Amino acid sequence: NAGVTQTPKFQVLKTGQSMTLQCAQDMNHEYMSWYRQDPGMGLRLIHYSVGAGITDQGEVPNGYNVSRSTTEDFPLRLLSAAPSQTSVYFCASSQRQGAGIQPQHFGDGTRLSIL
Amino acid sequence: GENVEQHPSTLSVQEGDSAVIKCTYSDSASNYFPWYKQELGKRPQLIIDIRSNVGEKKDQRIAVTLNKTAKHFSLHITETQPEDSAVYFCAAQGGGSYIPTFGRGTSLIVHP
Repeated sequence: NAGVTQTPKFQVLKTGQSMTLQCAQDMNHEYMSWYRQDPGMGLRLIHYSVGAGITDQGEVPNGYNVSRSTTEDFPLRLLSAAPSQTSVYFCASSQRQGAGIQPQHFGDGTRLSIL
Repeated sequence: GENVEQHPSTLSVQEGDSAVIKCTYSDSASNYFPWYKQELGKRPQLIIDIRSNVGEKKDQRIAVTLNKTAKHFSLHITETQPEDSAVYFCAAQGGGSYIPTFGRGTSLIVHP
């Protein structure tokens, strides 16, 4: 049981490049979400999904796209990388409980640097 | 929207002492309050949570208390050990919103 798996673990991009951060979970969780973590800022929600085919914006969605074609996968796409997107990105999943996404399991994170 | 403030930002204790981290929230409709522990360079881990219909919850050396009237909740760690050293995040969620709001974290340092 791998839990939540993120790839890659590290990535360096040049400004303007695009890339996709991969996230997969094997717990059959309905809810998945992407966060960015910056020093002193805690965790900020980028996008989330409450099931296959359903996505919505979080607090800081600009510059990112997501899709959820299967229950297992929830990739995050950077459309045109900017230095302000340098951060650590965490994917999370949770079972449906109550009315919120309430992350229960996080991936190991992707450390992304934009030059 | 919800606003969560977490204090202190840094907490230094001696091994065996107790540690208390406090969070305040603004939305009285929030009804779910989790706590996460993040060791240096690692993923956040859910360690304990509480819902608004409960005033206190314990799990071995950790406990969380909730005061709905004052809109604050606290994490209590007793008999601290060096492996408790980490950054702890609180969060609040509810009131019709799917989105949890996180505090900015408390760096707990336990000195042997």
